[in-house]
Amino acid sequence: DTEVTQTPKHLVMGMTNKKSLKCEQHMGHRAMYWYKQKAKKPPELMFVYSYEKLSINESVPSRFSPECPNSSLLNLHLHALQPEDSALYLCASSLVGENTEAFFGQGTRLTVV
Amino acid sequence: KQEVTQIPAALSVPEGENLVLNCSFTDSAIYNLQWFRQDPGKGLTSLLLIQSSQREQTSGRLNASLDKSSGRSTLYIAASQPGDSATYLCAVKGRGSTLGRLYFGRGTQLTVWP
Repeated sequence: DTEVTQTPKHLVMGMTNKKSLKCEQHMGHRAMYWYKQKAKKPPELMFVYSYEKLSINESVPSRFSPECPNSSLLNLHLHALQPEDSALYLCASSLVGENTEAFFGQGTRLTVV
Repeated sequence: KQEVTQIPAALSVPEGENLVLNCSFTDSAIYNLQWFRQDPGKGLTSLLLIQSSQREQTSGRLNASLDKSSGRSTLYIAASQPGDSATYLCAVKGRGSTLGRLYFGRGTQLTVWP
């Protein structure tokens, strides 16, 4: 099983809403990532978790709050977002190490209205 | 900082053609390079992973090469099909980044018409 599953596939939220994105993998990967991708642009790294601890935060605004409750799950909690936060949010996972392959989910298309 | 460039930005070819997508990177100190496929509005599908010590990887009609010293990789697609239409992204994993930080190019948007 080389699958990273993201839910929901689509999300529309108002600027005052609170919502969460979910990511799950069962490949035994202990590194998990959130990327943000705007249209026609490459993915941009947001957060990296290693062994369930936050290792990298790419200066992401606090309205995005990641959580890694266990080795298979990664959440991204959203609150008070802006319309410019509308994007495709991608989750990825990999083994921790040098020559490791990254596996991506199908993404959540987020629209902030 | 690692910069990854992909040429061409877009490519349109008739079905059956063999084609080459190019990727270049500025810092040759990499662990590996991955080629991904992305369909519109979808996630990334890993196509090939080349370790820094390797020169080539093949999967079906796809062949990827790596010349680390010159900072270049190519993705060769044989006998292209309309189903190959997608955006192809290359990404490198730089040394000093065991946590898997990937540096992406902007992609080549491929259209294969029947």
